[in-house]
Amino acid sequence: DTGVSQDPRHKITKRGQNVTFRCDPISEHNRLYWYRQTLGQGPEFLTYFQNEAQLEKSRLLSDRFSAERPKGSFSTLEIQRTEQGDSAMYLCASSFGQSQYFGAGTRLSVL
Amino acid sequence: GENVEQHPSTLSVQEGDSAVIKCTYSDSASNYFPWYKQELGKRPQLIIDIRSNVGEKKDQRIAVTLNKTAKHFSLHITETQPEDSAVYFCALSWDNYGQNFVFGPGTRLSVLP
Repeated sequence: DTGVSQDPRHKITKRGQNVTFRCDPISEHNRLYWYRQTLGQGPEFLTYFQNEAQLEKSRLLSDRFSAERPKGSFSTLEIQRTEQGDSAMYLCASSFGQSQYFGAGTRLSVL
Repeated sequence: GENVEQHPSTLSVQEGDSAVIKCTYSDSASNYFPWYKQELGKRPQLIIDIRSNVGEKKDQRIAVTLNKTAKHFSLHITETQPEDSAVYFCALSWDNYGQNFVFGPGTRLSVLP
């Protein structure tokens, strides 16, 4: 599969725990995006990388959220001290131009 | 920031009929307008897109039209089939460097056999 891949597909955690998600973009894509999607809503932008540089962050991205893309390839999204309101689908997308291609997402459930 | 409205929120059509979904926006700087299809539990899938220098684009049964003056763009699906049933999201961006999209709230399309 040469598309965007995300791991894990599902994560169940207890409130207060830290979680980390991984995204592997399409190999020739230099831009990588993280979105959050809740039930019945469209994806909401969280942050964006061009190569290894994090160029934009949404105000939705609180201090508990951090994202990295250390070598300009895969990216990780960490949520510290998870809250029940963090429960959502976390989607990753990648692009070379304007067209973005999405991964299948990581569904986070915070108990 | 930019806001995208999408209508209708739900749409039911008989198999073989056409379906039209419309999105409106406010920022005239918006220049790229993709449409995504998301089946239950699956990834959003890019199905068609249009740039601001084009008024219409067609790909088999799917077409997108853009009215820059009125600031709206629409998805047209002809000869609908049950496998077209999904949630459809419009989106837009306003730069040439692939930065973040703003998505509409989605339209749940049901194609009835």
